[in-house]
Amino acid sequence: RKEVEQDPGPFNVPEGATVAFNCTYSNSASQSFFWYRQDCRKEPKLLMSVYSSGNEDGRFTAQLNRASQYISLLIRDSKLSDSATYLCVVNIRSARQLTFGSGTQLTVLP
Amino acid sequence: NAGVMQNPRHLVRRRGQEARLRCSPMKGHSHVYWYRQLPEEGLKFMVYLQKENIIDESGMPKERFSAEFPKEGPSILRIQQVVRGDSAAYFCASSEGVNTEAFFGQGTRLTVV
Repeated sequence: RKEVEQDPGPFNVPEGATVAFNCTYSNSASQSFFWYRQDCRKEPKLLMSVYSSGNEDGRFTAQLNRASQYISLLIRDSKLSDSATYLCVVNIRSARQLTFGSGTQLTVLP
Repeated sequence: NAGVMQNPRHLVRRRGQEARLRCSPMKGHSHVYWYRQLPEEGLKFMVYLQKENIIDESGMPKERFSAEFPKEGPSILRIQQVVRGDSAAYFCASSEGVNTEAFFGQGTRLTVV
């Protein structure tokens, strides 16, 4: 089983739609959680950290469920510019590395 | 505060040559990660370094690949005797601490001909 697994995608949604991505992690000792986005052939960029209490940044909401070992990302009112690959990232202290999921591709259609 | 700087952005090497990829972390960051991304694939961890120490190199091939992060100067990822399969984008990221956010450089795209 992969350490970090994401929805396979791709997701094709119309502008204005709400879309949700899920990500599960296998190591219960995981300590930190992040969502990154990666545009085609560019570097990953930090979208938001994910806190235990959940957090929101504009149209983006991230949730963490430690009991079920998953994190989620909700995007409301999708824009064309949201089209990208979204990467779930988990930091396991004992592993001492950031572990990336394989990514979920989102295309927002006009 | 400049971001993570990688150079060169593009590197072309013939089979058998050496490739040197440089990464200068963000100011105040002492943790550096190297990742490789093959075309149409995800990011694969290679190595994690702190100043003068390799902390985790579990993702790095045992032969031909080495990494360092000296007390002064950038982190270097070195690939000896490159082969076609080494062609990929190599991304460096830096962070302030172990559990903090990491920020990526723009990557070095290595092409082996």
